[in-house]
Amino acid sequence: QSALTQPASVSGSPGQSVTISCTGTSSDVGGYYFVSWYKQHPDKAPKHIIFDVDKRPSGVSSRFSGSRFDNTAALTISGLQIEDEADYYCASYRSGDTLVFGGGTKMTVL
Amino acid sequence: EVQLVESGGGVVRPGGSLRLSCAASGFTFDDYAMHWVRQVPGKGLEWVSGIHWNSVYTGYADRVKGRFTISRDNAANSLYLEMNSLKLEDTALYYCTVGPNWNRPLFDHWGQGILVTVSA
Repeated sequence: QSALTQPASVSGSPGQSVTISCTGTSSDVGGYYFVSWYKQHPDKAPKHIIFDVDKRPSGVSSRFSGSRFDNTAALTISGLQIEDEADYYCASYRSGDTLVFGGGTKMTVL
Repeated sequence: EVQLVESGGGVVRPGGSLRLSCAASGFTFDDYAMHWVRQVPGKGLEWVSGIHWNSVYTGYADRVKGRFTISRDNAANSLYLEMNSLKLEDTALYYCTVGPNWNRPLFDHWGQGILVTVSA
């Protein structure tokens, strides 16, 4: 059961925009509208920031946005802030009634 | 306030068994699906298993299918994970999470996690 593919790390300067990709197949990311994104600070539980590809839970900053093209989902963080430095994970439904996470991306704010 | 408190972790030998529990409060337990997600310290997240609000549907990751069993007791607001034939690679922090659907990757709230160590 292979994980979704994310870049190991991305970085950006305060105020910039950064995009994290999440690549799967037509059996998961590309085939269903069930893609979520999670943010995790060190030694803390993850927190969901995007669900159903592009929806934001209440209370999550509008600087976070989600999108999808073919088998690749993306998380864009605009107006980068110091507190955005964290690990980010995508997750998707996969045919056969399983759920799968991406390998995670470490975001560094320079 | 939603609270999810895991218990039952510890050290176990390969081939052994362990039962994790999760006590839920602060929401209507039987309105929601529940999941277990694990994380090897310093590594990524891995979905382990999910269960429908009324236990009719369950799902498992391929790596644990046939060895782990998820269950819930709505009267006791509790979620369980029975882990058998444990392997070294099952060592991880196990999170209890809650979401709207058992087969949707939306986990609204997370516990703090409980550590399971499989070691000879």
